[in-house]
Amino acid sequence: DAGVIQSPRHEVTEMGQEVTLRCKPISGHNSLFWYRQTMMRGLELLIYFNNNVPIDDSGMPEDRFSAKMPNASFSTLKIQPSEPRDSAVYFCASSLDRVYEQYFGPGTRLTVT
Amino acid sequence: AQSVTQLDSQVPVFEEAPVELRCNYSSSVSVYLFWYVQYPNQGLQLLLKYLSGSTLVKGINGFEAEFNKSQTSFHLRKPSVHISDTAEYFCAVRDTGGFKTIFGAGTRLFVKA
Repeated sequence: DAGVIQSPRHEVTEMGQEVTLRCKPISGHNSLFWYRQTMMRGLELLIYFNNNVPIDDSGMPEDRFSAKMPNASFSTLKIQPSEPRDSAVYFCASSLDRVYEQYFGPGTRLTVT
Repeated sequence: AQSVTQLDSQVPVFEEAPVELRCNYSSSVSVYLFWYVQYPNQGLQLLLKYLSGSTLVKGINGFEAEFNKSQTSFHLRKPSVHISDTAEYFCAVRDTGGFKTIFGAGTRLFVKA
């Protein structure tokens, strides 16, 4: 299995631009999580999908952030407009309900200048 | 609500020495407990997990952890570390009826030659 796939691995953009991060979960997994990791705040859960439905988006920092999961094999996290304080590493993770641990992708390092 | 406290932000240790990374949690309900490892520029990967049963849990790479319910602790140990164990280690807790996994702030393990 290829594991959780994220793209791009690195993204550098200017303030105000739209950024789209992509994730392909492990085949067969029915839960998907988006996290943000920074030195100051550690690992924060942004949003959780179960069977493609957003269950908890209370961690999404602002309306500038949105996430979708149009099917079981693809999810996007969009930031529009981006700001320098959005600079972080964004991780996607997937899991299966009866298996409790999460499998993380390699992350996307976002830098907003 | 659950919380996780990793008592040491950094742990330096010499190669072949034993190490213990400490983790305490708080929760009003039954929990599952995890340790994840993050190598530089990679996502988190599972080291071991406690779901139920024996309180001593063995994981990959020679690590083990002991669940102590009375002390609400889940400390990670390895009897002899290698240079390659240098990484950040995260303790995490999830209540048995929920989906959200709460991660600690991480402990950076430095193994010196």
